[in-house]
Amino acid sequence: ETGVTQTPRHLVMGMTNKKSLKCEQHLGHNAMYWYKQSAKKPLELMFVYNFKEQTENNSVPSRFSPECPNSSHLFLHLHTLQPEDSALYLCASSQVGGGAPGELFFGEGSRLTVL
Amino acid sequence: AQSVAQPEDQVNVAEGNPLTVKCTYSVSGNPYLFWYVQYPNRGLQFLLKYITGDNLVKGSYGFEAEFNKSQTSFHLKKPSALVSDSALYFCAVRDEMDSSYKLIFGSGTRLLVRP
Repeated sequence: ETGVTQTPRHLVMGMTNKKSLKCEQHLGHNAMYWYKQSAKKPLELMFVYNFKEQTENNSVPSRFSPECPNSSHLFLHLHTLQPEDSALYLCASSQVGGGAPGELFFGEGSRLTVL
Repeated sequence: AQSVAQPEDQVNVAEGNPLTVKCTYSVSGNPYLFWYVQYPNRGLQFLLKYITGDNLVKGSYGFEAEFNKSQTSFHLKKPSALVSDSALYFCAVRDEMDSSYKLIFGSGTRLLVRP
């Protein structure tokens, strides 16, 4: 089992569809993150969950809805997306607090294409 | 405010030659510094980190990085490049005192190792 697992790896959806991305971490970490990576753009932090509580929402449009039912699982629910939302969505986890340096461990990403 | 700069969009090097990928940072307090590598259509893989101690940090795949406090730099190095090292490299920083544990990423440097 890899440390951080993302499914699906590839997703094609129409603008009116509803789909979800799933992330699971097996590292015992207490924080999880969603990043968006678009071509020719810096990594964008979307959401942060510490101990299952959302601590950051970087002005992400409401068509992206995160859910963190426990410290090992993270979802990104997608609804009424736009073509410009096509990107690689990366999930990451880390250990925060207690003097931990907080390095992130990433999943392999979900490549989303919105038609 | 925290920031990271990777001044080169791309670095080209011949196989067998030494490589350097540059990174400079700015934080208010002490830095925690990280390097990640990303292969096409994959997530970011953790390479190495500097927390404290020796300025020369060794990491995965023969990479090392040198922390230079006076120059606020954390350049990634490898004595002998391989074609398989061709990838996108990201530097990241966190201020030790930042309770949000957010990593600030650079824009990435593409390394191309030619045979």
